[in-house]
Amino acid sequence: GQQVMQIPQYQHVQEGEDFTTYCNSSTTLSNIQWYKQRPGGHPVFLIQLVKSGEVKKQKRLTFQFGEAKKNSSLHITATQTTDVGTYFCAGHPGSGYALNFGKGTSLLVTP
Amino acid sequence: DAGVIQSPRHEVTEMGQEVTLRCKPISGHNSLFWYRQTMMRGLELLIYFNNNVPIDDSGMPEDRFSAKMPNASFSTLKIQPSEPRDSAVYFCASSYSETGELFFGEGSRLTVL
Repeated sequence: GQQVMQIPQYQHVQEGEDFTTYCNSSTTLSNIQWYKQRPGGHPVFLIQLVKSGEVKKQKRLTFQFGEAKKNSSLHITATQTTDVGTYFCAGHPGSGYALNFGKGTSLLVTP
Repeated sequence: DAGVIQSPRHEVTEMGQEVTLRCKPISGHNSLFWYRQTMMRGLELLIYFNNNVPIDDSGMPEDRFSAKMPNASFSTLKIQPSEPRDSAVYFCASSYSETGELFFGEGSRLTVL
């Protein structure tokens, strides 16, 4: 079955440093979504990427979808303590299938 | 607007007891998903419904787990009998479509002693 691998598992940065998490799928995806889960909270939708090579930005966050639609990345510029949490990518194979979540990257930001 | 509503938020029970988790999706959403989250296995899809019909239940661990969606505004996940390894946070999520963004409830934290 389809698998979504995400690295790194953990990342500890100083406030102001950049952060990147990578996501790879074993199969071509219809779309990829990113979610953020704060400690003790529930996953919250950040963005969906659909097109090959697509790049989207949300303030300090930049999301990319690979040309082959099998990989994606999330880059945070100049991290802040409010960025703390676990970032999940979730790949969608297409209609008839549910989102398949990666294991997530837990980000810790120290002031 | 009300989000996805789950109950109970916390449940502590003893091995062998029946557990029922409940979910009310966002009105107008026609897809509903049950996920289980543990440290070891991350977020696992258990089952999902589209227009109240189960589409994929391949993630349901075994016969002890069952899920129903009798109407568009209510779903249950039942575990009978429960075991300690079922301890996890169970999330319900709903979506406008099978491929759209998911709106998660706050989860039900289950502890089986």
